[in-house]
Amino acid sequence: GIQVEQSPPDLILQEGANSTLRCNFSDSVNNLQWFHQNPWGQLINLFYIPSGTKQNGRLSATTVATERYSLLYISSSQTTDSGVYFCAVVSTSGTYKYIFGTGTRLKVLA
Amino acid sequence: EAQVTQNPRYLITVTGKKLTVTCSQNMNHEYMSWYRQDPGLGLRQIYYSMNVEVTDKGDVPEGYKVSRKEKRNFPLILESPSPNQTSLYFCASSLSGLGDYEQYFGPGTRLTVT
Repeated sequence: GIQVEQSPPDLILQEGANSTLRCNFSDSVNNLQWFHQNPWGQLINLFYIPSGTKQNGRLSATTVATERYSLLYISSSQTTDSGVYFCAVVSTSGTYKYIFGTGTRLKVLA
Repeated sequence: EAQVTQNPRYLITVTGKKLTVTCSQNMNHEYMSWYRQDPGLGLRQIYYSMNVEVTDKGDVPEGYKVSRKEKRNFPLILESPSPNQTSLYFCASSLSGLGDYEQYFGPGTRLTVT
């Protein structure tokens, strides 16, 4: 089945710094989402982005489907950005299963 | 407010005592799904339902049952819970199960089986 890998696994930033998180997938997809899991465990939708570029405030994401990767950019990071960031994909192979990446754990220091 | 709700949010139970975790969505979504999240293993799909009366196994279905009798509800049933089912459980829904719409998650249910 499709493999989804995220990097880096862990990231520590000073408040105000910028960062780039990466999601690589091993097969073509028709769905890619980015989520933020906050310290209370809730999964927050960030982007639905099977291709192209989107921006929402300090966050933006780009998916290059032909090269099988997606990037999540966080600018001017804040302590509230701390948590784990997941990407999740649905392969075009027709199984309709959502496969999550292993996540990037981000800690933003004040 | 459009949302996915789960109950209970926290549950501590004993081995073998049947339990049900409810999931409901108010967005008229066709697709619903259950996941479990474990340290080091990430989120894994337990069961999913493409629409009413249609369910299928995900990657880790052993020890779980589901039913989809109404579009809005998708309960997760543990007939005889065991300690290895201690986990954080999420219900999710989407307009379609064909992978072309975003998925929305409930707040999670933290289950401990002793």
